[in-house]
Amino acid sequence: AQKVTQAQTEISVVEKEDVTLDCVYETRDTTYYLFWYKQPPSGELVFLIRRNSFDEQNEISGRYSWNFQKSTSSFNFTITASQVVDSAVYFCALSEAYNQGGKLIFGQGTELSVKP
Amino acid sequence: NAGVTQTPKFQVLKTGQSMTLQCAQDMNHEYMSWYRQDPGMGLRLIHYSVGAGITDQGEVPNGYNVSRSTTEDFPLRLLSAAPSQTSVYFCASRPDRTSWYEQYFGPGTRLTVT
Repeated sequence: AQKVTQAQTEISVVEKEDVTLDCVYETRDTTYYLFWYKQPPSGELVFLIRRNSFDEQNEISGRYSWNFQKSTSSFNFTITASQVVDSAVYFCALSEAYNQGGKLIFGQGTELSVKP
Repeated sequence: NAGVTQTPKFQVLKTGQSMTLQCAQDMNHEYMSWYRQDPGMGLRLIHYSVGAGITDQGEVPNGYNVSRSTTEDFPLRLLSAAPSQTSVYFCASRPDRTSWYEQYFGPGTRLTVT
């Protein structure tokens, strides 16, 4: 069965702190894709990154970085020098390549609050 | 491109009423889907469509109907609203059923059933 767990329901940090959002996934497939989405207070869902199961290279985009480790089935997201605008709910999601209908399975979300 | 549009933005229904949530996309995407978002549960798939005339159930389909008569539109019908259907509903699309593509989400519809 496919499952995504984001154990941290809420995280609160002070501006300029680094913060890591955890994501652990379960799948039986060898080919799958992992995603992170951001949901700011305005409510829309914004795509941040995707990673396929064969590419374990870490990725950095500005203050954002992602650490994919197949050995621990984790795809963690780090924000360096957090800012108030980073306050949002962040979702990790999984899709199996051969899943019927290409279903996207979401974690429960982590609400990040960055205080000035 | 307008992307994925949803109407209405907000809706209040009484138990037993029916209504249709509208979703449209102008990107010629084959794959469209509906999710509901409830606190602490992330987003859960209700129904999806891999092309015009083809629909299938997701994780939580009970109480909802869909149809896909055109590539652009994918309406979600609540047949007889129940308080358990109070939620935020998101429509999404992507180029095709290939899981590699990210999904483009609409702005959401906040539904309250009293």
